[in-house]
Amino acid sequence: ETGVTQTPRHLVMGMTNKKSLKCEQHLGHNAMYWYKQSAKKPLELMFVYNFKEQTENNSVPSRFSPECPNSSHLFLHLHTLQPEDSALYLCASSQGTGRTGEQFFGPGTRLTVL
Amino acid sequence: TQLLEQSPQFLSIQEGENLTVYCNSSSVFSSLQWYRQEPGEGPVLLVTVVTGGEVKKLKRLTFQFGDARKDSSLHITAAQPGDTGLYLCAENQFYFGTGTSLTVIP
Repeated sequence: ETGVTQTPRHLVMGMTNKKSLKCEQHLGHNAMYWYKQSAKKPLELMFVYNFKEQTENNSVPSRFSPECPNSSHLFLHLHTLQPEDSALYLCASSQGTGRTGEQFFGPGTRLTVL
Repeated sequence: TQLLEQSPQFLSIQEGENLTVYCNSSSVFSSLQWYRQEPGEGPVLLVTVVTGGEVKKLKRLTFQFGDARKDSSLHITAAQPGDTGLYLCAENQFYFGTGTSLTVIP
């Protein structure tokens, strides 16, 4: 695998389900990010991790719970989501101390909440 | 967080035509990035501009940064179907506009 990979690519879940999104970067970067991309809205930065430590949480509801066990892996745990949480969730990574260096994006997970 | 407005929102053109898309801000950019996002993929960085008045070229793509660093344009010459995608501008890499969706018809 090369670059940034995300699994699953598509996910449909009910509002009472619990699921997790996975991101893995094969670039040796130390910073990782979660973004939300909704129709007709700008890409929204959700979380920033630098060397496994969360450095930013941009007012994201607690039903989204990130986890970064190491610099190569990032998870987004989902529970009791709402239909308006349906979106493309993108992971990205970069070199540098968070918010610096060129970002490389994964292909995203298309999430549908029923 | 500043508001980035991109125009037009949608653009459909024939192969071989030229086009320009715009990115405008309510305040001064520290740096501005242009990305292209193809269907089913994440955004890919095309260019970063930092200096007011700066012009950068990437093959058939020309990027211009306004003198006051509050606006930018992307001009594509002789568009090709492979140019189809969502073109996003971003301020300091992390604050994105809503994008221009470009379709180039063969």
